[in-house]
Amino acid sequence: EDQVTQSPEALRLQEGESSSLNCSYTVSGLRGLFWYRQDPGKGPEFLFTLYSAGEEKEKERLKATLTKKESFLHITAPKPEDSATYLCAVSSYNNNDMRFGAGTRLTVKP
Amino acid sequence: DGGITQSPKYLFRKEGQNVTLSCEQNLNHDAMYWYRQDPGQGLRLIYYSQIVNDFQKGDIAEGYSVSREKKESFPLTVTSAQKNPTAFYLCASSIARVAGSYNEQFFGPGTRLTVL
Repeated sequence: EDQVTQSPEALRLQEGESSSLNCSYTVSGLRGLFWYRQDPGKGPEFLFTLYSAGEEKEKERLKATLTKKESFLHITAPKPEDSATYLCAVSSYNNNDMRFGAGTRLTVKP
Repeated sequence: DGGITQSPKYLFRKEGQNVTLSCEQNLNHDAMYWYRQDPGQGLRLIYYSQIVNDFQKGDIAEGYSVSREKKESFPLTVTSAQKNPTAFYLCASSIARVAGSYNEQFFGPGTRLTVL
């Protein structure tokens, strides 16, 4: 069965302090890995899709990378408005559904 | 503006009542989904639909029902058989579920259901 584990559960950073969020996955044939941002009480907002190991995508202060076992979401010089829960999800060739991790709750202090 | 709308934003249910959550999209997406989100857990799939008049059970379909009479609409009914319905419910859509590719899902703003 496809599994997704995100770490850490919560991360507190000072403004400007770069860090990374981890998404470890176990799937039989990765079809795609997805990153979403979710603000409290709102629906997830799509950020990136990664399809193969070695692939990288960037958007403003965020950069997502993918290996055969995990994905990282790197946050460079974060600002308070980057505070949110970041969700990772995978889909596999055995399962059309998306499997979500529990998320990492990021807080950036000014 | 294209997007997904859900209503109501907050919903309160008494024991033994059925309630229906609305989900509408104007993105011309074929596939629609319902998820449940509980604190500290990942999103869990309740039902999905790939085409009008067809839908499939997800991981936690017991106590829920859906219909897909129009491409734009995918309402979810939480029945009295659902023993622990208090949660945040999210509707999503994607272009299609096509073999060989997978399209990202886009989410609505959610409905928070509370059982009184």
